[in-house]
Amino acid sequence: NAGVTQTPKFRILKIGQSMTLQCTQDMNHNYMYWYRQDPGMGLKLIYYSVGAGITDKGEVPNGYNVSRSTTEDFPLRLELAAPSQTSVYFCATRRSAQSRETQYFGPGTRLLVL
Amino acid sequence: TQLLEQSPQFLSIQEGENLTVYCNSSSVFSSLQWYRQEPGEGPVLLVTVVTGGEVKKLKRLTFQFGDARKDSSLHITAAQPGDTGLYLCAGVSWGKFQFGAGTQVVVTP
Repeated sequence: NAGVTQTPKFRILKIGQSMTLQCTQDMNHNYMYWYRQDPGMGLKLIYYSVGAGITDKGEVPNGYNVSRSTTEDFPLRLELAAPSQTSVYFCATRRSAQSRETQYFGPGTRLLVL
Repeated sequence: TQLLEQSPQFLSIQEGENLTVYCNSSSVFSSLQWYRQEPGEGPVLLVTVVTGGEVKKLKRLTFQFGDARKDSSLHITAAQPGDTGLYLCAGVSWGKFQFGAGTQVVVTP
């Protein structure tokens, strides 16, 4: 049981390049989330999904896109990388929206845009 | 946008001392969660508080949810070096999470 896995662990991009951050879970959770964490800024929600085929914007969606074709996968796409997107990206899952449900985080992807 | 403010931003104490971390908001949340994050890892859930006035204890950690469900506190008794980490609070509303900026706690032997 791997939980939440994220790939790659670290990536350097040039300005204007694109890439996809992968997130996969094996817990059959309906809810999945993408956050970015900047130094001293806590975590900010980028996009989330309440189930396969359903996605919605979070607090900071500009410059990102997501898709949720299966329960297991929730990739995050950066189309035109900008230095402001340098951050640590975390994927998280949750079984349901019940108040006491735990949110499980992946190990993160560190992205540097130069 | 709901804003969660954590204080202090940084706390350095000696082993055996007590500490309290605060999480305040002007908005009401359906629940509030506390996480601890180690360097290079994702946050790990410590506790969820749901009811106004709720107090939860986890060994040496005591969590309290304010009566109005707008604020929370985390108290650590007799801190140990293993308590070192970034402590994050997150308010939950309509299934979405609003995180505070975190409190970095360093406990030295």
